[in-house]
Order: sequence, then structure tokens, then C-alpha cells
Amino acid sequence: GENVEQHPSTLSVQEGDSAVIKCTYSDSASNYFPWYKQELGKRPQLIIDIRSNVGEKKDQRIAVTLNKTAKHFSLHITETQPEDSAVYFCAANLFSGYALNFGKGTSLLVTP
Amino acid sequence: EADIYQTPRYLVIGTGKKITLECSQTMGHDKMYWYQQDPGMELHLIHYSYGVNSTEKGDLSSESTVSRIRTEHFPLTLESARPSHTSQYLCASSEDAAAETQYFGPGTRLLVL
Repeated sequence: GENVEQHPSTLSVQEGDSAVIKCTYSDSASNYFPWYKQELGKRPQLIIDIRSNVGEKKDQRIAVTLNKTAKHFSLHITETQPEDSAVYFCAANLFSGYALNFGKGTSLLVTP
Repeated sequence: EADIYQTPRYLVIGTGKKITLECSQTMGHDKMYWYQQDPGMELHLIHYSYGVNSTEKGDLSSESTVSRIRTEHFPLTLESARPSHTSQYLCASSEDAAAETQYFGPGTRLLVL
């Protein structure tokens, strides 16, 4: 399928700092971009999503931005806390085949 | 409560055995998926279904098979388990069409000795 590239693969920040994870996609027809958080030993859970008719969406300390022209989208976490430590996956929908193409994940560690 | 369920949660089995991993959802979703994931690593799509009697192979080649006889049920079968099948298997579902959000089950951790 079409690729979704995610960077960085690992990210370590101090508590209170901001964290940014970036993804690029190749299918210009993609119009839905969810972000999932997977804590150790748990299932991936949706934390925020954005559709292509919106450039930015915010939910408390997390925000997602989308640049359709450049085909990239980013997750921003402000005032990070130790409980934000997890693996984060970005994804983009596809019109040719199955619904979502996932990035390879970013392991975020927030140290107290 | 509407959710997606997987059984068993943990399975230790010997090489050559036949196993079936169960997945059921009570959300009335048409689309269902199976992913293989080593802990904390990339999600690999191995099978998906658009609805009853629909099954397709995903990106990752897999020796498993699936069936979709009922909307709510999407079991995955390994005819002959091997140590290389040791992994976590995640089931997911989503509504059709515009709502593409996938909801994941808790996973089955499989260890083949």
C-alpha cells in the first residue's frame, strides 16, 4: 500500500516540555488522519484525528496540524507528563484498498 | 457495552498445533481487521474484511486464514503453528465509508514453542 513515514522513531523529553511527532503520506486522495497511543501491554487507542477540510485541531494538551499541500501532518503534545510515555502511531486513510495505512510508530519517553 | 473482544488473551502452544483466535465486536461495524504486532513495534495488516463473506489479505504475508460468516465475528486460524508465529495479534473494526476510525481489541499474545 501507500506509505506513511513517521519520525522520529524514539523521542525522549523532560516532563513539562513539548513533544512533536511528524508524519508524511504519499496518497494525495487521503483525507483522514488519526493518531493512536499505545501504552505498554495495552491496545492502540485513538487520541485525536483530523480531516482534510481542517488545518489544525486541538484537544487540551494535544493538537494535530495538517499541511495537505506538503502531505504532512504532526502531533503536538504540550506540558508533557510521565503518563504520556507510550508508542504513538499516525495513520492516513486510503481509497485504494483497506482503510488505514499506519506509520511505524514513535516511542515517547517523558522523564520526571 | 459496545466493544471489541478477543479470546484467548494469552496462548502458549506447541509447534504443529491448529489454533483459532477469536474476535467479536458489538458495535455493528462492517469492516474488521487483523494485525500482527511485536510489542511496541509496527502494526502489520494481515487480513481484513469489508463485510459478511468478504475477506482479503493484507500487506504482510501470513500463513493464517480468516472467515466472516457473521458481521460481529472474525476469527483467525493457523492450521499449523510455528515458532515464527509468536507475536501479538490485534483485531480491529471500523464503520463503513466516511468514518475510518479503527477500534482495537485487547490483543492475543501467542507463544509457539
